[in-house]
Amino acid sequence: GIQVEQSPPDLILQEGANSTLRCNFSDSVNNLQWFHQNPWGQLINLFYIPSGTKQNGRLSATTVATERYSLLYISSSQTTDSGVYFCAVERNGQNFVFGPGTRLSVLP
Amino acid sequence: DAGVIQSPRHEVTEMGQEVTLRCKPISGHDYLFWYRQTMMRGLELLIYFNNNVPIDDSGMPEDRFSAKMPNASFSTLKIQPSEPRDSAVYFCASSFLTVSGYTFGSGTRLTVV
Repeated sequence: GIQVEQSPPDLILQEGANSTLRCNFSDSVNNLQWFHQNPWGQLINLFYIPSGTKQNGRLSATTVATERYSLLYISSSQTTDSGVYFCAVERNGQNFVFGPGTRLSVLP
Repeated sequence: DAGVIQSPRHEVTEMGQEVTLRCKPISGHDYLFWYRQTMMRGLELLIYFNNNVPIDDSGMPEDRFSAKMPNASFSTLKIQPSEPRDSAVYFCASSFLTVSGYTFGSGTRLTVV
């Protein structure tokens, strides 16, 4: 099956800093999503982005499907951005495969 | 919309007991997914339904696990008999095709002692 890698596995930032999270996948995909799991365990869909670039406030994402990667940008990070960020990809049908996640800690 | 609703939020049960987890998807969504999350294995897909029909149950760990979707607004995941290694957070998610991606429920934290 398709393999999903995320980097870095852990990231510690000072509040106000910017960061880039990366998702690599081993095969072509039809769809890609980014999720944030907050410290209370809730999984929130951030972007549905099979290709191109999207922005939502301080967050933006870019997927280059032909090169099999996606990037999530967080600007002016806040403590509420802490948690785990997951990339999930779908190749056939409706089954998304999740990566291992990047654990982000934003310090005040 | 109230989102995807899961119950119970927490469940503690003794080994050997039957456990039933419940999920109400977002109205109008035609796909429903059950995931399990553990520290060791991350997020794993157990089973998913399309229009109430199970499409892929290859992620169901063994025969002790079963899932049903009797109608478009309700699904259950049952474990019988439960074992300590089943302890995990179980998430339900729904989507309309994949146009807008998944919406997850709040999860059920299951502890089997």
